[in-house]
Amino acid sequence: SQTIHQWPATLVQPVGSPLSLECTVEGTSNPNLYWYRQAAGRGLQLLFYSVGIGQISSEVPQNLSASRPQDRQFILSSKKLLLSDSGFYLCAWSVVNEKLFFGSGTQLSVL
Amino acid sequence: DQQVKQNSPSLSVQEGRISILNCDYTNSMFDYFLWYKKYPAEGPTFLISISSIKDKNEDGRFTVFLNKSAKHLSLHIVPSQPGDSAVYFCAASVNNAGNMLTFGGGTRLMVKP
Repeated sequence: SQTIHQWPATLVQPVGSPLSLECTVEGTSNPNLYWYRQAAGRGLQLLFYSVGIGQISSEVPQNLSASRPQDRQFILSSKKLLLSDSGFYLCAWSVVNEKLFFGSGTQLSVL
Repeated sequence: DQQVKQNSPSLSVQEGRISILNCDYTNSMFDYFLWYKKYPAEGPTFLISISSIKDKNEDGRFTVFLNKSAKHLSLHIVPSQPGDSAVYFCAASVNNAGNMLTFGGGTRLMVKP
């Protein structure tokens, strides 16, 4: 069966520090991968998605970037965090046109 | 422009009664709709979906109704249980795909014992 791992579960970072969140998927090949963010009191916003290694599409301009160095690995990064980057970050996967399966999320607090 | 809206940020229901969560959308190209359930500090989990060729889909205690002319869908939970207390997200996509989703803002459901 397929599983998705996302870490860390919580993270507190100072403003201006770098960020790296990692997500891996097991049990499937060539999944579509996604990064979503839920800001406090708001819905889920798609940040990035990837249909293959090295292929990243950005949905909104922001202080973040994503990379897919391996088929089942998706990384969310920032060189310098802003206060507005605080939120609950979710990694998700799907096969083509099928529903999303989410990871357990990372609560990021930028202070 | 928010294409999927859940106008009720919260809903409180007594255990055993019906919970009705509403969702409105503006993009007429949407043809596939999903509901996700999210507990605190966890990722959302898929609950139920409906294609635009249907107006109702039922799965146990959960039923989703779609009114295409009104661009409105609703999730009915009958009977409601305390374990149903969570945030419910409505989502929509085009081309009958379950992956490129536009989410609503969520509704927090509280089921009181």
